[in-house]
Amino acid sequence: AQSVSQHNHHVILSEAASLELGCNYSYGGTVNLFWYVQYPGQHLQLLLKYFSGDPLVKGIKGFEAEFIKSKFSFNLRKPSVQWSDTAEYFCAVGRNTGFQKLVFGTGTRLLVSP
Amino acid sequence: GAVVSQHPSRVICKSGTSVKIECRSLDFQATTMFWYRQFPKQSLMLMATSNEGSKATYEQGVEKDKFLINHASLTLSTLTVTSAHPEDSSFYICSARLMSGSSYNEQFFGPGTRLTVL
Repeated sequence: AQSVSQHNHHVILSEAASLELGCNYSYGGTVNLFWYVQYPGQHLQLLLKYFSGDPLVKGIKGFEAEFIKSKFSFNLRKPSVQWSDTAEYFCAVGRNTGFQKLVFGTGTRLLVSP
Repeated sequence: GAVVSQHPSRVICKSGTSVKIECRSLDFQATTMFWYRQFPKQSLMLMATSNEGSKATYEQGVEKDKFLINHASLTLSTLTVTSAHPEDSSFYICSARLMSGSSYNEQFFGPGTRLTVL
């Protein structure tokens, strides 16, 4: 079965610090990879996704993620965080077949202090 | 575009009663909707896949008689928690899949429903 692990449960950063959130998955087949963000009091929103091609994908709000197939990883990065990036971040893995169900990681709560 | 709503946002009920949660795709049609459950400080766990006009597909370990799903139209899916008990208290989130014609169809998430069973 697929599983997704996010190593950091809570991250506290100061504004302008760089961010990297880890995500590893276990699945041997072809997968689609996602990062979702949930701002306080809001619903999940798609930050970025990877299907194929360039393993470095860029998303909204200056976020990017790199797919490293050999490490089964899809880490999220942002060079300089802002206070408004305070949110919970979820990594998810899905297959491109059938119902395209998603398996989510446990989430990382990011707090950016001004 | 691609907005998904849920109603109610919060519900408190007595043990033994049933609670219905609605999930609507407001500006698109969704043949497939998903229902997730999220425990505090934990991940979203897929409960079932809801298909318009057919029976829902439940994940392993999810009681289909406990969590009744109806996908009566292309814009509405309902989750009914029957004979709710305190252990059913949780945050329930739905998503709807937008058919875009590409190989992958993005899911859009509702804001969630907080269920508290006393």
